[in-house]
Amino acid sequence: DAGITQSPRHKVTETGTPVTLRCHQTENHRYMYWYRQDPGHGLRLIHYSYGVKDTDKGEVSDGYSVSRSKTEDFLLTLESATSSQTSVYFCAISPRDNEQFFGPGTRLTVL
Amino acid sequence: ELKVEQNPLFLSMQEGKNYTIYCNYSTTSDRLYWYRQDPGKSLESLFVLLSNGAVKQEGRLMASLDTKARLSTLHITAAVHDLSATYFCAVDTLSGGGADGLTFGKGTHLIIQP
Repeated sequence: DAGITQSPRHKVTETGTPVTLRCHQTENHRYMYWYRQDPGHGLRLIHYSYGVKDTDKGEVSDGYSVSRSKTEDFLLTLESATSSQTSVYFCAISPRDNEQFFGPGTRLTVL
Repeated sequence: ELKVEQNPLFLSMQEGKNYTIYCNYSTTSDRLYWYRQDPGKSLESLFVLLSNGAVKQEGRLMASLDTKARLSTLHITAAVHDLSATYFCAVDTLSGGGADGLTFGKGTHLIIQP
């Protein structure tokens, strides 16, 4: 158990609404990540953080923003949700060597 | 553009048989990672390979890394039903030994039948 929780675990929303997903860790790791998983694509990196208020973009960052005001929390915001953002979102931490340990995931459906 | 290619993408095999999953990648990274995912679940870290020639084994699974060929293999010995899952390989998104996240292959969906 990597001490990572995600909330909510499931969410259904409508196109055009903002959505925020939360990732919380209990182990005080510096690095945190957001990925999305879609059939046929594996996992793709959205954004990552290397410390409080330090974030950078990943491969599929368009339409997403992130914030990290505390070490333990990393928030992912969909500014105006679209159907193409229907996905399973995984948060991860990395204690060493870029090895990722994943949270339980959030299943997001945008209607 | 970094590419990570796994093959096969789908594999159905019988219990007791041996098989190998291949992972080719286009970066110069010396680090490669293998994960397992059960249906509807999160990803579980299986192996971290940190240098050329690295070999790691856990039970019936063995992973190896050849950085010169940019190839990693995941070998399954005498498969059992409990190994049915989707297996992903991944490499560092940016070479240089940082913690900038991973680029994943599309996964190999493995079904092991009695």
